[in-house]
Amino acid sequence: EVQLVESGGGLVQPGGSLRLSCAASGFTFSSYSMNWVRQAPGEGLEWVSYIGSSSSTIYYSDSVKGRFTISRDNAKNSLYLQMNSLRAEDTAVYYCARSSGNSYYYNAMDVWGQGTTVTVSS
Amino acid sequence: EIVMTQSPATLSVSPGERATLSCRASQSVSSNLAWYQQKPGQAPRLLIYGASTRATGIPARFSGSGSGTEFTLTISSLQSEDFAVYSCQQYNNWPPWTFGQGTKVEIK
Repeated sequence: EVQLVESGGGLVQPGGSLRLSCAASGFTFSSYSMNWVRQAPGEGLEWVSYIGSSSSTIYYSDSVKGRFTISRDNAKNSLYLQMNSLRAEDTAVYYCARSSGNSYYYNAMDVWGQGTTVTVSS
Repeated sequence: EIVMTQSPATLSVSPGERATLSCRASQSVSSNLAWYQQKPGQAPRLLIYGASTRATGIPARFSGSGSGTEFTLTISSLQSEDFAVYSCQQYNNWPPWTFGQGTKVEIK
């Protein structure tokens, strides 16, 4: 079964740090680009970061650029998001999502984890 | 950045009726448009990609249409399990990948 399982969320004070993990199984993780997508309480989905299959291509949304770092370990089938200088507006459920790979350039997100909750509050 | 706008925000429909949801892009996204379903406390699930191709395991009552800037998701006969929030997403011009704010389909 194709599966993504996030972990690492929790309560952190403003200015603090947190590292999220996403464990992949049931597919060849090293062949797929991956994303982090978040959803603030009562809000829509917001793309956060993208990493190519070999880590050579990385993108961030403007809202997290300079504060968050995406990485992956293909040997461990794992995706990570290091979040520093956290703000109240980073409070959200964070999902890891697989880029489908149907096309070289244009891909929907076809597999999602169940999400992990990050709360930034004093 | 391409802005995705969905309408209506909430759609009240009786079971067995048809639901039609709209998504508009601020500039052309060709057919690089996906629809996702999300139920409370659950992760999004890919329903439609390429504007009109159903993802694996998605029932035929879900259909997508459109290209360019105007897109539609139609649920032909709503079942109880279809009441959820539906979001569109463009993946034509990235980064960033952008989502609509969602349409909640509720029981009338």
